[in-house]
Amino acid sequence: EVQLVQSGAEVKKPGESLKISCKGSGYSFTSYWIGWVRQMPGKGLEWMGIIYPGDSDTRYSPSFQGQVTISADKSISTAYLQWSSLKASDTAMYYCARVVYCGGDCYSRWDYWGQGTLVTVSS
Amino acid sequence: DIQMTQSPSSLSASVGDRVTITCQASQDISNYLNWYQQKPGKAPKLLIYDASNLETGVPSRFSGSGSGTDFTFTISSLQPEDIATYYCQQYDNLPRVELFTFGPGTKVDIK
Repeated sequence: EVQLVQSGAEVKKPGESLKISCKGSGYSFTSYWIGWVRQMPGKGLEWMGIIYPGDSDTRYSPSFQGQVTISADKSISTAYLQWSSLKASDTAMYYCARVVYCGGDCYSRWDYWGQGTLVTVSS
Repeated sequence: DIQMTQSPSSLSASVGDRVTITCQASQDISNYLNWYQQKPGKAPKLLIYDASNLETGVPSRFSGSGSGTDFTFTISSLQPEDIATYYCQQYDNLPRVELFTFGPGTKVDIK
């Protein structure tokens, strides 16, 4: 059974750093892209970036380029999303999901999702 | 960038009703469109991929159609467990910077 299990909720202060995780199991972790999505309170879904754990190739949404860092450790089947200096506006639920690659520059459906990690940034 | 619109933004229907949601792309996206269901407090779930393909395990009352710029998502007989927000999502096969765009969502509840 494919599973993505995310790390627990975090409460941080502005300016602090944070790294949240997403551990995959039940499939070949290095053969699928992993994506991250932000959902701000009461809002919709925004894709942040995707990573291929096999070689750590990463693509960022222009909206999040330079704001976060996506990484992966294939030895432990885990992807990460990190911030170096959090802002109150980073308060949101963050989801990871497996992304199906359809060849060339084509990345299609997000077929398995983690349960989400709630990040709260408040002074 | 490709923009996605959904309508309506919310709807209220009775159990057993047929529910239809539309999603429109700002340019031709062929059939590169997926639909997700997000129940309150839960992660999104893939229902339909490539405009009309039902994801494994998803009830057959859900369906999708369309191509080009206009797409439709249908629940043939609304059930209480279908209370959720539904999102369309486009993808692409061209070397764009914005690889994906999610629609703004349609909130469905029971009348």
